[in-house]
Formats: sequence, C-alpha cells, structure tokens
Amino acid sequence: GAVVSQHPSWVICKSGTSVKIECRSLDFQATTMFWYRQFPKQSLMLMATSNEGSKATYEQGVEKDKFLINHASLTLSTLTVTSAHPEDSSFYICSARIALVSPLHFGNGTRLTVT
Amino acid sequence: AQSVTQLGSHVSVSEGALVLLRCNYSSSVPPYLFWYVQYPNQGLQLLLKYTSAATLVKGINGFEAEFKKSETSFHLTKPSAHMSDAAEYFCAVSVGGGGSNYKLTFGKGTLLTVNP
Repeated sequence: GAVVSQHPSWVICKSGTSVKIECRSLDFQATTMFWYRQFPKQSLMLMATSNEGSKATYEQGVEKDKFLINHASLTLSTLTVTSAHPEDSSFYICSARIALVSPLHFGNGTRLTVT
Repeated sequence: AQSVTQLGSHVSVSEGALVLLRCNYSSSVPPYLFWYVQYPNQGLQLLLKYTSAATLVKGINGFEAEFKKSETSFHLTKPSAHMSDAAEYFCAVSVGGGGSNYKLTFGKGTLLTVNP
C-alpha cells in the first residue's frame, strides 16, 4: 500500500518552455504533498509543501512564480516548471503522507533536462 | 532548527560484512528519525523510523537502527551486507508533529557499495 506515482519519469524540454510533473497517491488520500529537488550526488532539498485546496508554502529561495504547485485533489499535486532554463535541470521528487505524523511515501522522481 | 549529519559520504564493505552507516542529529525537541534508501534514478524508500517508542528499531531488508539520545545518534546497521544493498542511504530528522506540517530535513547521504 501507500504508493505514490510520479509522471513523467523523465522529460527533455527546450529552454523557455514549461513542463508539468504530476504526483499521484494511488491508494490513499494525501492531505499534504511535498516537492523536492535533488542535484547529482546531493541530498534532497525541500522546495515546497502542498496542501489540498490551499496555496503551497514555498521554502526560502524557491521562486513560486517559476515553480507552480497545484494540489487540486487529495490524490493529485502538480509541479509546473515555467519558462525552464538549463539550470532547472535536476531530479524532482514528490512525497505524500496519509496523516500528520505518518512517514512520507515518495514517488520515483522525474529527471528534467532543459536544453 | 533541526539538522542531520551523516558521517562518511561513501562506505564500502564486502559482501557478508557488517554494514554501519552513521547519523547524528541536532534537535531542540524530541525528534522523529528516519532512514531512507534510494536506488539510482528512483525516489526514496523508507527503511525504518523512530518515533519515540522503542530505541532499537527494526526495518526492512534486515536493517536496524538504535536511537541514542546521549550521543544524539541514529546509526543504521545490518549484520551481513548483500549485493542488493548497494544504494544511497539518507538519514532524516523531523520535529513538530501534531498540528504542524512537519518537514523532513535530510542528511547529505551515504553511498554504500558492496564488493563481491
């Protein structure tokens, strides 16, 4: 149980275009989802916390107008990288939790390459 | 503020040998502690968690970790390494459950390689 599906698993886009990444909780309702960014051989850096039906809370230094997060339902959160640039190339991972203090369940990540 | 320090970015062991991955945490309040494993180009899988119950926590795949408050440590161990254990391991700490959106703070990770 507690499966989180992330789509796509990899995407290549041209500089200036926008890319949407989906994160779905398949067998549970996720009141909160988290989006992380991971650079090669580094740890995960929390980008934002997404609560269903409300605006996402962004971490310091993360541009909310560039990384648009929508959590329209209890099973789906999306991250849209707008006007992508090569420096946005990274591994993006989402996670979701069932309850306030339950462990996080992670998606398999999305490898974004901006050319 | 909470933080996690993983000692050793790379640990190499022989198959069948003891695995020891070190994690020290810093927190002003009782923490929740986690170990996650990440295989290449994949998300993170929870190995085990400490949430103020038993100090010795057993997880999946034969891993266990012991919470030592006096040492502010939560080291991960496995008696006998298997080739399939080769992966990146992350220790994480969280504080503030209850009504808060508790957030995980990750260590920088330890890459475990297992030699035949």
